[in-house]
Amino acid sequence: AQSVAQPEDQVNVAEGNPLTVKCTYSVSGNPYLFWYVQYPNRGLQFLLKYITGDNLVKGSYGFEAEFNKSQTSFHLKKPSALVSDSALYFCAVRNTNAGKSTFGDGTTLTVKP
Amino acid sequence: DTGVSQNPRHKITKRGQNVTFRCDPISEHNRLYWYRQTLGQGPEFLTYFQNEAQLEKSRLLSDRFSAERPKGSFSTLEIQRTEQGDSAMYLCASSSLSTSDFTDTQYFGPGTRLTVL
Repeated sequence: AQSVAQPEDQVNVAEGNPLTVKCTYSVSGNPYLFWYVQYPNRGLQFLLKYITGDNLVKGSYGFEAEFNKSQTSFHLKKPSALVSDSALYFCAVRNTNAGKSTFGDGTTLTVKP
Repeated sequence: DTGVSQNPRHKITKRGQNVTFRCDPISEHNRLYWYRQTLGQGPEFLTYFQNEAQLEKSRLLSDRFSAERPKGSFSTLEIQRTEQGDSAMYLCASSSLSTSDFTDTQYFGPGTRLTVL
């Protein structure tokens, strides 16, 4: 079985400050890990993914994520937040042999001017 | 537009009616997924196809739900005898599992919001 936990329902940061959205996962075998962003009444947009190798993954819109195997975490980060980053963020995991992905319940990011 | 498209975007129906949703994946994507998302939760997997073959179905997919992908291109999701608990956003995603993308990255459509009265 595979699962994802996003421990924070909401994250608030000031514009220009760094942001972190947390994600921990559980999966048998090697994981593929993903971050998606969802704007109101829209589908999920792919941000970035971890496959293997370098633990720091860079993605769209200046976002990056850090994979930590020992802590089974895949936290999303951005050095300087923008108001337009305010949205709902989902972390997802799948086993390298599986078809389906399992998603967390999401974290609402609010960036205040 | 070369993204995933879903129709209709919104559907309001009365309890007991049947509804059908359509998903058109990104051209040449060989995998197609259906998820359900309710308020405050992440997408929950329902089923997926590789080409026209339905490879996995969630236990969430009761006998009232059926999905097809007859020619390996678009897919339909039908819900029979709808119940109020079926009210949710139904999301479709497609991917191209291949030597160039073995991670099966999924790209989502805008969703169909179903309201059962």
